[in-house]
Amino acid sequence: DTGVSQNPRHKITKRGQNVTFRCDPISEHNRLYWYRQTLGQGPEFLTYFQNEAQLEKSRLLSDRFSAERPKGSFSTLEIQRTEQGDSAMYLCASSLIRGGSYEQYFGPGTRLTVT
Amino acid sequence: GIQVEQSPPDLILQEGANSTLRCNFSDSVNNLQWFHQNPWGQLINLFYIPSGTKQNGRLSATTVATERYSLLYISSSQTTDSGVYFCAVRAYSGAGSYQLTFGKGTKLSVIP
Repeated sequence: DTGVSQNPRHKITKRGQNVTFRCDPISEHNRLYWYRQTLGQGPEFLTYFQNEAQLEKSRLLSDRFSAERPKGSFSTLEIQRTEQGDSAMYLCASSLIRGGSYEQYFGPGTRLTVT
Repeated sequence: GIQVEQSPPDLILQEGANSTLRCNFSDSVNNLQWFHQNPWGQLINLFYIPSGTKQNGRLSATTVATERYSLLYISSSQTTDSGVYFCAVRAYSGAGSYQLTFGKGTKLSVIP
């Protein structure tokens, strides 16, 4: 169990550019979640997958945000036409739904700065 | 949606002191997690505690789901306990699914 990993750890981009972040969950985990955290706040849920199916995406912040998990393993989060307000920490988590437990484990995050 | 309130928002402790952090939530939940976010941003799982009491070393937690609160106890605090402590509850999101909602956290500073 190597934990949840995220890449890159830091990303600086210019306004208007597209960015893509990757998340690799704990290997046997079937659910994967994306969150955004801004300064002084707790993480805010964005979307989640069960295996390759995206089951909830209404909380994505705008249509510029999209996520995929094509083979039920790693996931990507893309932000198109970035804006300065997108600057935040983007966190990924995973969980194994078993025996009624929904405990989530988080990766180290990708810190995005839009200039 | 559900509201999660944590108190106090900030706490400064002398090394060796004990503390209690509180998490109140506004509706029924089917699980609750406590996390410690270190200075590098990593969220570390402390407890998965939908109800009852658990202990892990110097930390313990109690959730009373019927009264909609949870407490995190830190005893004999150390400087490495510094960081932000988050409570997160799993509740119906109103969009057909159950999701984790976080409080704003308690920022703990332990001074030598």
